[in-house]
Amino acid sequence: EAGVAQSPRYKIIEKRQSVAFWCNPISGHATLYWYQQILGQGPKLLIQFQNNGVVDDSQLPKDRFSAERLKGVDSTLKIQPAKLEDSAVYLCASSLLGRKETQYFGPGTRLLVL
Amino acid sequence: GESVGLHLPTLSVQEGDNSIINCAYSNSASDYFIWYKQESGKGPQFIIDIRSNMDKRQGQRVTVLLNKTVKHLSLQIAATQPGDSAVYFCAENAGNDMRFGAGTRLTVKP
Repeated sequence: EAGVAQSPRYKIIEKRQSVAFWCNPISGHATLYWYQQILGQGPKLLIQFQNNGVVDDSQLPKDRFSAERLKGVDSTLKIQPAKLEDSAVYLCASSLLGRKETQYFGPGTRLLVL
Repeated sequence: GESVGLHLPTLSVQEGDNSIINCAYSNSASDYFIWYKQESGKGPQFIIDIRSNMDKRQGQRVTVLLNKTVKHLSLQIAATQPGDSAVYFCAENAGNDMRFGAGTRLTVKP
């Protein structure tokens, strides 16, 4: 079974630029999560989708971050404009519907904002 | 070797020794806990879980202990191997989402 795919794996941008990350969840997983993991910290949930609807985006900085999952499969997370403090690993995870305890994580995208 | 989660984020043990990684969780209403292993450049990987109606659960070479009285969780790894070197996170089921601790880096010396 293929795992969660993410791209790109690494991205370096300057502050105030825009960046987008892509995630392809495990086939059949209705729930998709985006996490931000700052160096030395645990992952922090940014947004959770159930199919193509948002379940929880309470910790998403909506003034600069946006995410979509238009067809209920792939998802993109965008930052516009980026700040230095956005440097982190952005992890995507997926799970079966209602099974947030059993999340499978992708390898993450490491973002460095200069 | 033994660590205390946030206050001692690194743990170094000799190969073959047992490791104990500790975690203090915050929400007394949390009913489910997971230990994850994260190797460099990879996403977190599920190791073992435990529900709040249990105080101990064993897996292959790993044991999780839960003390709800003091809101404390520990992960014990028996006969630690070089492949166990990673960052270990505890996560608690806090309402709508899983909340992760800061992690402990385990280094296994050959």
